[in-house]
Amino acid sequence: DQQVKQNSPSLSVQEGRISILNCDYTNSMFDYFLWYKKYPAEGPTFLISISSIKDKNEDGRFTVFLNKSAKHLSLHIVPSQPGDSAVYFCAASSQGGSEKLVFGKGTKLTVNP
Amino acid sequence: EPEVTQTPSHQVTQMGQEVILRCVPISNHLYFYWYRQILGQKVEFLVSFYNNEISEKSEIFDDQFSVERPDGSNFTLKIRSTKLEDSAMYFCASSDEGVYGYTFGSGTRLTVV
Repeated sequence: DQQVKQNSPSLSVQEGRISILNCDYTNSMFDYFLWYKKYPAEGPTFLISISSIKDKNEDGRFTVFLNKSAKHLSLHIVPSQPGDSAVYFCAASSQGGSEKLVFGKGTKLTVNP
Repeated sequence: EPEVTQTPSHQVTQMGQEVILRCVPISNHLYFYWYRQILGQKVEFLVSFYNNEISEKSEIFDDQFSVERPDGSNFTLKIRSTKLEDSAMYFCASSDEGVYGYTFGSGTRLTVV
């Protein structure tokens, strides 16, 4: 039951270029979406989120885009830095009383110097 | 910055043994969670806990699992009779505002042999 899908297990980009990580979801009840970043031996760290009433949210080098009709969101990192190398998880929740997050499998981003 | 602390970082246990994973959430947080990640798989929700009771649990969280907040600061996950398939990384999280403010701990790697 993959309600949140990250179809690319890995992505490699050059330092300074744009990284685009994609996420698709199937549950139309999801209305809040989050991106987490995870380094080895650490827990997921919150990066950025977006509510379904918006189609874009920006925080510094990180921008999340939401396309509700396509049930698709993406995370853009510009410019990418070697320290961004980590596993990125997309997560979703439905705000109608549930507090749980449903995660994708993650995309391992490698930013090469 | 406040953090969620989990101990131990790695636990090895024999199949059939009971294991208790410990977490110290952020002190002013009211919502507490356990998630797990089997190697190579997605992070999965186990249980949420609020106001001294379970508020939501997943199908994974069967009778072998229990949670407790014994002393107002610790939050524990107990697995009564461990199975090989319980081997995973277990993450504790706490929040002051449900899904909007999760902070994850670094995890406990449980290995059942």
